[in-house]
Amino acid sequence: DTEVTQTPKHLVMGMTNKKSLKCEQHMGHRAMYWYKQKAKKPPELMFVYSYEKLSINESVPSRFSPECPNSSLLNLHLHALQPEDSALYLCASSQPSGETQYFGPGTRLLVL
Amino acid sequence: AQSVTQLGSHVSVSEGALVLLRCNYSSSVPPYLFWYVQYPNQGLQLLLKYTSAATLVKGINGFEAEFKKSETSFHLTKPSAHMSDAAEYFCAVSVGGGKLIFGQGTELSVKP
Repeated sequence: DTEVTQTPKHLVMGMTNKKSLKCEQHMGHRAMYWYKQKAKKPPELMFVYSYEKLSINESVPSRFSPECPNSSLLNLHLHALQPEDSALYLCASSQPSGETQYFGPGTRLLVL
Repeated sequence: AQSVTQLGSHVSVSEGALVLLRCNYSSSVPPYLFWYVQYPNQGLQLLLKYTSAATLVKGINGFEAEFKKSETSFHLTKPSAHMSDAAEYFCAVSVGGGKLIFGQGTELSVKP
């Protein structure tokens, strides 16, 4: 089973709202990732968790706060976002070597 | 720094025609290379990967890619295009530490 699930599928939020994106995998992977993707562009890496510890933060603004409660779950907490943060947010997982990443379907976020 | 170049941001073929999507990489060591496909409003799906086991790699949906070290290329081909192949295609190289370097993507259109 090479499935990564993400909820919600769509999210609309105001600039003062707090919301969370969720990601789950049951492939036994110990590395999980958050990416941001704008239309017609490749995904941009935001965060990497390895063995539930944050290993890479690609200078992402603090209004994005990741959390990895256990080896199967990854959250992205959102607060005080800007309209330019509107994008498709993708979660991925892999073995810790990072050789092959498997992506979820994404959450389409619109910030008003 | 490693990079991936996809020649042609948009490729259009007729149904039944050969599909050829080009990818060149820069790497000083044998890389892990990937092709992902993204259908509209969906996440990235792994088409195939090269991990040095064989230079000709077969993937899903009839796609294959050939690794040519002398040309630093990993072009994606399919003998006969189908309407359902219309999507965005991304070539990527793994640079270790869980990081993927993506090309800019190629949008494939299939004309009836």
